[in-house]
Amino acid sequence: DGGITQSPKYLFRKEGQNVTLSCEQNLNHDAMYWYRQDPGQGLRLIYYSQIVNDFQKGDIAEGYSVSREKKESFPLTVTSAQKNPTAFYLCASSSTGGSQPQHFGDGTRLSIL
Amino acid sequence: QKEVEQDPGPLSVPEGAIVSLNCTYSNSAFQYFMWYRQYSRKGPELLMYTYSSGNKEDGRFTAQVDKSSKYISLFIRDSQPSDSATYLCAMSGGFGNEKLTFGTGTRLTIIP
Repeated sequence: DGGITQSPKYLFRKEGQNVTLSCEQNLNHDAMYWYRQDPGQGLRLIYYSQIVNDFQKGDIAEGYSVSREKKESFPLTVTSAQKNPTAFYLCASSSTGGSQPQHFGDGTRLSIL
Repeated sequence: QKEVEQDPGPLSVPEGAIVSLNCTYSNSAFQYFMWYRQYSRKGPELLMYTYSSGNKEDGRFTAQVDKSSKYISLFIRDSQPSDSATYLCAMSGGFGNEKLTFGTGTRLTIIP
């Protein structure tokens, strides 16, 4: 079954700690994305990558970092510099070439301890 | 002003009713329009994907795009309790401008 797997489903962060959210896809998509979803707000783009070893900042990249060493994987690190990390984080992927629709994983909910 | 405006609801309708969900936008460069359904604590699921103006039907769902009015709609016929979810509109400008811009979502409840 093709899809996007995000783990863990729930994550807790202590003050001053970096945490990494996992995103894996087996859809053979070139492009991958990270969004943050807060109550009452639309999805906001954190980072995106259209090809392995390349990625670009989205609208709210400060306090986050990513890597894209493999086509299937696009992990997101929430660093201690992100002062308000509590949110629902969504990973998505799409084919490239034209404006292909994005498909989403089931998210990771990050909370502060 | 946000690029995409969507009434957050909540919207409650009886089972079997026709539901109309809407978004307006300000960026005339948007050409691709999507509707996603999101259940609580789940990721958004793509429902409809349309290009430019016109209608698209898929089962009980119909998407309409009116680019002249910068207005898109999603209609749900014969609504079911399983349709209770948050519905997100999203749009993009196409090749070279593929970033998706989302509405805030409308929370829909179908009352049995």
